[in-house]
Amino acid sequence: DIVMTQTPLSSPVTLGQPASISCRSSQSLVHSDGNIYLSWLQQRPGQPPRLLIYKISNRFSGVPDRFSGSGAGTEFTLKISRVEAEDVGVYYCMQAAQFPWTFGQGTKVEIK
Amino acid sequence: EVQLVESGGGLVQPGGSLRLSCAASGFTFNSYSMNWVRQAPGKGLEWVSYISRSSSTTYYADSVKGRFTISRDNAKNSLYLQMNSLRAEDTAVYYCARDLIYSFDNWGQGTLVTVSS
Repeated sequence: DIVMTQTPLSSPVTLGQPASISCRSSQSLVHSDGNIYLSWLQQRPGQPPRLLIYKISNRFSGVPDRFSGSGAGTEFTLKISRVEAEDVGVYYCMQAAQFPWTFGQGTKVEIK
Repeated sequence: EVQLVESGGGLVQPGGSLRLSCAASGFTFNSYSMNWVRQAPGKGLEWVSYISRSSSTTYYADSVKGRFTISRDNAKNSLYLQMNSLRAEDTAVYYCARDLIYSFDNWGQGTLVTVSS
């Protein structure tokens, strides 16, 4: 199975400041079709998860442009350019290169 | 508006069975693969199972293989998860999630399954 490792696991951030979350995969995420299916999800307290980014860097519909994804190989990053209060929650990376699809452990973003 | 509404959760004894349902609306159900994802209390997300649009292909996490069965009824716009031989470690909120280009673009609110004597 592909193991997804996120760092940090907790990220206290000042409002208006940037935040960055890293996600490392234990092996290549290149799918048999040549694409890399790495996505990022946000889970606010008491809510189901919400898709933010798919295929490494594509922002999903309605997601603010302060969220961006990047990466290649086995290293991927989610960045929030200026954290807002509504960004508090847990963020997960997920790979769909091969079954079983797997998630990172989650990174808790909170306001300092 | 896309809606996914799970039901069927509850308290069940170890070794028991439960069938979860997910009612879909607001989109052409038979055009999308679907998944079940679970989250144990206070824990992270765990993908459970996948089913293709026509039900021709299914996949399972090793933790549920042989005990859980995913299915769908496109005529009823519904997704199901039959869970047998339930264990305490299956206790979780179970979400159905729509598959968009190998990511989960829409989620239900979840249904809680508690396995306890």
